[in-house]
Amino acid sequence: GENVEQHPSTLSVQEGDSAVIKCTYSDSASNYFPWYKQELGKGPQLIIDIRSNVGEKKDQRIAVTLNKTAKHFSLHITETQPEDSAVYFCAATPLSGTSYGKLTFGQGTILTVHP
Amino acid sequence: EADIYQTPRYLVIGTGKKITLECSQTMGHDKMYWYQQDPGMELHLIHYSYGVNSTEKGDLSSESTVSRIRTEHFPLTLESARPSHTSQYLCASSEGRLADNEQFFGPGTRLTVL
Repeated sequence: GENVEQHPSTLSVQEGDSAVIKCTYSDSASNYFPWYKQELGKGPQLIIDIRSNVGEKKDQRIAVTLNKTAKHFSLHITETQPEDSAVYFCAATPLSGTSYGKLTFGQGTILTVHP
Repeated sequence: EADIYQTPRYLVIGTGKKITLECSQTMGHDKMYWYQQDPGMELHLIHYSYGVNSTEKGDLSSESTVSRIRTEHFPLTLESARPSHTSQYLCASSEGRLADNEQFFGPGTRLTVL
């Protein structure tokens, strides 16, 4: 089955700095890679996703890059703000076959943005 | 805001009790999921359903059971709770179409078994 490794487990930055979280996956059949943000007391919420036919995707201050050859993908947050403080999860899944849609999550990264 | 609800939000019970965690969604999604979230944060899939009368076990073995009699409802039951079941349980749903795979999560139920 799929195995997703996420680093770092904690990340502390100053407001305005950039933050980068990295994930690697093991199953070459995976072709959908979402990122979720979980705030205290809430369930995770999708913030951006990328499919394997795209190398990079950007949405305002958030971007995700994917290297299928190396089996790794990264989340980049620019101009961080205190409200970006949360736990971030990467995930991977194939969009076909018996594991279709079943997400395997990384271990999570606690991001703290200091004012 | 996603229309997916979980009750109760918090539950403290004694060992041996039978409990049911409720999950409902009003989005008409075919796919629903239950995750167990460790104190260390990691999310593990314990059950999923691709539609009415369809349930499958996830990657993490769990003593809980689920049912899917109605599209909008996906309850999780523990017949005899134990302290090892103490955890956060998250329910999610998705349309499951190729073009739309976003999973919408409920707020979770934090279960403590004494």
